[in-house]
Amino acid sequence: SQQGEEDPQALSIQEGENATMNCSYKTSINNLQWYRQNSGRGLVHLILIRSNEREKHSGRLRVTLDTSKKSSSLLITASRAADTASYFCATDGLDTGFQKLVFGTGTRLLVSP
Amino acid sequence: DAGVTQSPTHLIKTRGQQVTLRCSPKSGHDTVSWYQQALGQGPQFIFQYYEEEERQRGNFPDRFSGHQFPNYSSELNVNALLLGDSALYLCASSLGPSFWQFFGPGTRLTVL
Repeated sequence: SQQGEEDPQALSIQEGENATMNCSYKTSINNLQWYRQNSGRGLVHLILIRSNEREKHSGRLRVTLDTSKKSSSLLITASRAADTASYFCATDGLDTGFQKLVFGTGTRLLVSP
Repeated sequence: DAGVTQSPTHLIKTRGQQVTLRCSPKSGHDTVSWYQQALGQGPQFIFQYYEEEERQRGNFPDRFSGHQFPNYSSELNVNALLLGDSALYLCASSLGPSFWQFFGPGTRLTVL
């Protein structure tokens, strides 16, 4: 079963605008990661945030994590048409010795020129 | 340096048949995980192989089985295919129990 829930399910914006996606999860985690998927193909790792971190940046990406609310957000600034993709959060839990990623349902982002 | 590769790219089977999907991990990686992604959903963890043994398993029936070879490549086998097995099957590799999993392009399985 899916642990994470992403919000919104779909997002449509214009190039240059910022896109914000949210993820909620249910159990305690070690890490939370964000992935991008283009047209139902393989997943591309974007960024990882550890449970003891609150914010992380990578280029145009900003991720926040609130473990008290069991939620995370991904902000893409100055979006481009090439950012059009589905975005998934994925968590790995404290109870698993080996990494077992639990993915959310994803946000479909459409960036129009 | 080749990334994770999967074969075949697409596959069409009929109900009741058996299928084998293959995965070659990224160079230097020794752990392979398999995920099933139904249309419009996020990937779901099937199982993980490390040192040629199944180390963890998700909520999938015994019809789903796997194998890891000494060269770290892996196979996913699905028996008695059901229509609901139609999905994108993703393989991911990592260097042991690390944080970073690299995903392959996936195999699209259609069951008719």
